[in-house]
Amino acid sequence: KQEVTQIPAALSVPEGENLVLNCSFTDSAIYNLQWFRQDPGKGLTSLLLIQSSQREQTSGRLNASLDKSSGRSTLYIAASQPGDSATYLCAVRGMDSSYKLIFGSGTRLLVRP
Amino acid sequence: NAGVTQTPKFRILKIGQSMTLQCTQDMNHNYMYWYRQDPGMGLKLIYYSVGAGITDKGEVPNGYNVSRSTTEDFPLRLELAAPSQTSVYFCASSQQGKDSPLHFGNGTRLTVT
Repeated sequence: KQEVTQIPAALSVPEGENLVLNCSFTDSAIYNLQWFRQDPGKGLTSLLLIQSSQREQTSGRLNASLDKSSGRSTLYIAASQPGDSATYLCAVRGMDSSYKLIFGSGTRLLVRP
Repeated sequence: NAGVTQTPKFRILKIGQSMTLQCTQDMNHNYMYWYRQDPGMGLKLIYYSVGAGITDKGEVPNGYNVSRSTTEDFPLRLELAAPSQTSVYFCASSQQGKDSPLHFGNGTRLTVT
């Protein structure tokens, strides 16, 4: 059974720092992996989607990497800003289940001015 | 450009009552999903639909029902509300299945007492 873990559960950094959020999964047979951002009281916003054949995806100050063999993904945020404060969730889609995403419980990020 | 719209935003139910959570999307997406998010946890799939007239169970379907009579609408029905159904419910849609990112609504916060 696929399990997705995100550590740490919460992170507080000063503005301007580069930071890395971690996501690990137990079954390497994944179809793709997505990173989402969730603001308080809001839904999830898709940030990056990495197919299993890809090693990384970039969007602005965000870079997500995928290492299937080790069951890990990282979300790198460059030059963090207070507006980056949110909860970040990763989710994997398995090869055997087309429409089910398995979510981690998220990392709550606070960027201090 | 509304995206995915959910109503109501908040609701309090008594045990045994029933209600329908509404979800509509204006992006002409074929795929729609219902998730629940419990405090400090990731999201779990309740039901999904790959097109009008087609629905299927997700991970946690017990106590819920859905219908998909149009491409735009995907309501979620709770027939006999139980305290275990206290949660935040998110509706999502995607253009295709496995390869497309999900677009989420802002959620419905439901409390059953």
